[in-house]
Amino acid sequence: AQSVSQHNHHVILSEAASLELGCNYSYGGTVNLFWYVQYPGQHLQLLLKYFSGDPLVKGIKGFEAEFIKSKFSFNLRKPSVQWSDTAEYFCAVMGGGSYIPTFGRGTSLIVHP
Amino acid sequence: GAGVSQSPRYKVAKRGQDVALRCDPISGHVSLFWYQQALGQGPEFLTYFQNEAQLDKSGLPSDRFFAERPEGSVSTLKIQRTQQEDSAVYLCASSLISGTGRQPQHFGDGTRLSIL
Repeated sequence: AQSVSQHNHHVILSEAASLELGCNYSYGGTVNLFWYVQYPGQHLQLLLKYFSGDPLVKGIKGFEAEFIKSKFSFNLRKPSVQWSDTAEYFCAVMGGGSYIPTFGRGTSLIVHP
Repeated sequence: GAGVSQSPRYKVAKRGQDVALRCDPISGHVSLFWYQQALGQGPEFLTYFQNEAQLDKSGLPSDRFFAERPEGSVSTLKIQRTQQEDSAVYLCASSLISGTGRQPQHFGDGTRLSIL
């Protein structure tokens, strides 16, 4: 069975700081990878996704993620965070051919103005 | 609205009562998923529909959980004889089609269920 680990459960940053949230998964085959974000009081929404091709993917609001196959990782990054980035971030993985995503437990990000 | 709609937003029930949670997916979305999200955890898969067919119910935790989507649009998740461990946020998501796993899922706001 596949699993997803998000090692940082709570992250607190000041505005303009750089962000990197870790995501590691356990699945040996082809994977589809996702980052979802949940802003306070809102529903989960897709931030970015990786299926194939360039391992560096860019999403909305200046976020990007890099797929490193050898490390089974798909870390999320943003060079300069804003107060409005305060949210819960979830990494999700679908093993090749599966339609069921496995989610990590999430990382709570708080950005101080 | 254009998004996935879930009702009620909050539900409080006494242990042993039956509850029904509703999901209205985005119009035209073939696939519909239910998830359970415990406090401090990520969403965990419960069941999946493609149109009216329930293709996967492997995530349902017990036979007290039942889901249906009789006309291929609105879905209802029913929990019978609720227990305290059923307290969680229940999320519904829909997508155009999920055969390849490449369609992003659109989530509703969830129903927060509290069992007293």
